[in-house]
Amino acid sequence: AQTVTQSQPEMSVQDAETVTLSCTYDTSENNYYLFWYKQPPSRQMILVIRQEAYKQQNATENRFSVNFQKAAKSFSLKISDSQLGDTAMYFCAFMSRDYKLSFGAGTTVTVRA
Amino acid sequence: GAVVSQHPSWVICKSGTSVKIECRSLDFQATTMFWYRQFPKQSLMLMATSNEGSKATYEQGVEKDKFLINHASLTLSTLTVTSAHPEDSSFYICSAGTGSPYEQYFGPGTRLTVT
Repeated sequence: AQTVTQSQPEMSVQDAETVTLSCTYDTSENNYYLFWYKQPPSRQMILVIRQEAYKQQNATENRFSVNFQKAAKSFSLKISDSQLGDTAMYFCAFMSRDYKLSFGAGTTVTVRA
Repeated sequence: GAVVSQHPSWVICKSGTSVKIECRSLDFQATTMFWYRQFPKQSLMLMATSNEGSKATYEQGVEKDKFLINHASLTLSTLTVTSAHPEDSSFYICSAGTGSPYEQYFGPGTRLTVT
């Protein structure tokens, strides 16, 4: 399995502010996929954003964007204009060629009113 | 579209008994289903991968005789925890894929408590 590292166990942000979550990974593959998933208290896994490694352009989904640095094996998530509904655990995930997902330890994000 | 259900959502069983968890893709055919285990406030750990009509592939360290996986159709996979013990208490999540790396959808999870 690939190694995915999320070094921030918890992050707190004021609503309407911006927060950035870090993620690094280790792989010898050249083609792969990266994902950020959100797990709210309901524990339903929700896809936030995905990135194909062969694409240099960073993915963006509304208030969510990534900074993908392939050479550095870094894949950070920026949440802009944070909302109370963004409070959740966020997992960075690496998908290998066999479609298996390896998850990081997760970062708990709390948005303060 | 792309809905995955799990049943039951919560189950309590006595030590030594077996419990079956179902994972269904409701509006698409899933060529591959994955089973994960998640302890409180921890990450998801892949247990096994199942393809319709073939034997499941288990990750290293997962007891295949304890966690029986059956993928009998393109819309249903089951996980049976045999002779459950309190240490098997956990949150079990399935996901279903269509073969595209973009299309892997998660079920809502099943909380298993073994007393």
